[in-house]
Amino acid sequence: AQSVAQPEDQVNVAEGNPLTVKCTYSVSGNPYLFWYVQYPNRGLQFLLKYITGDNLVKGSYGFEAEFNKSQTSFHLKKPSALVSDSALYFCAVRDPRNAGNMLTFGGGTRLMVKP
Amino acid sequence: GAVVSQHPSWVICKSGTSVKIECRSLDFQATTMFWYRQFPKQSLMLMATSNEGSKATYEQGVEKDKFLINHASLTLSTLTVTSAHPEDSSFYICSRSRYPLAAFFGQGTRLTVV
Repeated sequence: AQSVAQPEDQVNVAEGNPLTVKCTYSVSGNPYLFWYVQYPNRGLQFLLKYITGDNLVKGSYGFEAEFNKSQTSFHLKKPSALVSDSALYFCAVRDPRNAGNMLTFGGGTRLMVKP
Repeated sequence: GAVVSQHPSWVICKSGTSVKIECRSLDFQATTMFWYRQFPKQSLMLMATSNEGSKATYEQGVEKDKFLINHASLTLSTLTVTSAHPEDSSFYICSRSRYPLAAFFGQGTRLTVV
């Protein structure tokens, strides 16, 4: 069975500093990995994905993530945080061999960026 | 713009009544759509997979008679919470996938049962 872990419930960062939101996964085959952001009372917005190719993936709003197969990780990063980045972030995995095509989500990490 | 439209965004209903939530795929004919439930400060839990023209597939522990899913067309899936109770209060989100690409999510519906 596929699973995702986000070890931090909350990450606090000062505006202008780099941020990292951690994600590790477990899946039988080669994973498809995703990051989503959720603002209060809103649905999820897609940030970026890793399907294949370059391990460093660049996404929306200046975010990027690095796929590390040996560590089974897909940490979300941004060089310089903005207060507006404060939101709930979800890592998700899909096993391409899973005919159901559903995503399995991590528990979510609340990012707080302080001025 | 939005590719999945969910309606309503929020709804308050009395205990014992039923509530219908609509999820429309605006740009793509979706044979499969997904319904998630999110409890406060928690992650999303997949409730069921909605299949056009056939019965939905429910995840373990989800009451199919409580959460009725209908996927009558390639662009519309509905979730009806029947005989709602306060414990059904939650944030419900639908999505569709364009495999193997990212899923697209609706705006979510906050249901409050009083």
